[in-house]
Amino acid sequence: DAMVIQNPRYQVTQFGKPVTLSCSQTLNHNVMYWYQQKSSQAPKLLFHYYDKDFNNEADTPDNFQSRRPNTSFCFLDIRSPGLGDAAMYLCATSSPVGLNEKLFFGSGTQLSVL
Amino acid sequence: QQQVKQSPQSLIVQKGGISIINCAYENTAFDYFPWYQQFPGKGPALLIAIRPDVSEKKEGRFTISFNKSAKQFSLHIMDSQPGDSATYFCAASKGNTPLVFGKGTRLSVIA
Repeated sequence: DAMVIQNPRYQVTQFGKPVTLSCSQTLNHNVMYWYQQKSSQAPKLLFHYYDKDFNNEADTPDNFQSRRPNTSFCFLDIRSPGLGDAAMYLCATSSPVGLNEKLFFGSGTQLSVL
Repeated sequence: QQQVKQSPQSLIVQKGGISIINCAYENTAFDYFPWYQQFPGKGPALLIAIRPDVSEKKEGRFTISFNKSAKQFSLHIMDSQPGDSATYFCAASKGNTPLVFGKGTRLSVIA
């Protein structure tokens, strides 16, 4: 009964070739997040949606974009991946109560850039 | 500027021992302090959380101790088991803003 599902688990792309990562949820949570996690580091918030309201972190590169076509789905687009973008990308959701309520994470997509 | 500082970076504990992980924060407006547990190849999962109106919260073998004046909080894992081997992240947030995570502690419990 997976609740936050990320596809694919592993993604390999070429330097500069656009890539899209996807996330879906069955929790009907109105907040969805994208985090970047590099090896042995803390998850770093890229952006989050509160319903359809998009909130971009100040230090998120323009190379990263996101789409949320409906409550259940959210996409992370990396327009021109660089070697430094190789990381685990984690999608998370939280309950309607607020942003600092319990986060439910997916298992992540491990992105490799060749 | 790191808002939540976590230590140690790695920890090895004997089975049955007590694991202690510490976090310090700078922003006195933080009002929510969770701990997340992450196993390899998985996303983090909420383990336990505390708000500053209490000094301690216990759930099974896991306890958070909170010291508001020192701006520190810690996770204690009693009777540590090999299945507790994972990376632990402390985090903090204020009001309705996203969590700020510490850098993580890799815990290894050896038999």
